[in-house]
Amino acid sequence: DADVTQTPRNRITKTGKRIMLECSQTKGHDRMYWYRQDPGLGLRLIYYSFDVKDINKGEISDGYSVSRQAQAKFSLSLESAIPNQTALYFCATSDPLAGAYNEQFFGPGTRLTVL
Amino acid sequence: GDSVTQMEGPVTLSEEAFLTINCTYTATGYPSLFWYVQYPGEGLQLLLKATKADDKGSNKGFEATYRKETTSFHLEKGSVQVSDSAVYFCALSGKTGANNLFFGTGTRLTVIP
Repeated sequence: DADVTQTPRNRITKTGKRIMLECSQTKGHDRMYWYRQDPGLGLRLIYYSFDVKDINKGEISDGYSVSRQAQAKFSLSLESAIPNQTALYFCATSDPLAGAYNEQFFGPGTRLTVL
Repeated sequence: GDSVTQMEGPVTLSEEAFLTINCTYTATGYPSLFWYVQYPGEGLQLLLKATKADDKGSNKGFEATYRKETTSFHLEKGSVQVSDSAVYFCALSGKTGANNLFFGTGTRLTVIP
């Protein structure tokens, strides 16, 4: 079974709708991240969480909110979706005790289309 | 701020050709450096990594050396295969704050038989 899972894998919605993307991990990592990927722009950080009580905005947090329900779960919400939020969304985890590398482990991604 | 500049693609090579994908970075201090690979329809997988100057990361025939003097981390492979076709991302991780990854824009590699 995959260590980092995301649901749904694909979603098509309409402008103005509320959408929640979910991420679960079995790696036991404290740190979790949400990124979005756009063609030609690489991945950009939306929100990150160091533990259940520690949530922080990333580079492009406007229009998004998150919830860290448990160590293993980190959800991303679009309160009122707009077309320029059409993108591929990735969840990632890391272990701060893993040393200097700070390697991150990615889920398979959620492809979101806002019409 | 921290950033990564990566060679733009797409890159098309014949099987067994030599591959180089250039990556340079701007960062405060001494970041960790990574190459991630994204195969079609999949998430990102770590390909290799290096944490300090002159470290060489290697995996699956790919190599990259952390060059502090040129702030570079170029990806190389001596003989590519069709199965190497994917998008390759260079990334850096600062060692303070969010510890998030800063990614390059990605380079799409297509290897033809």
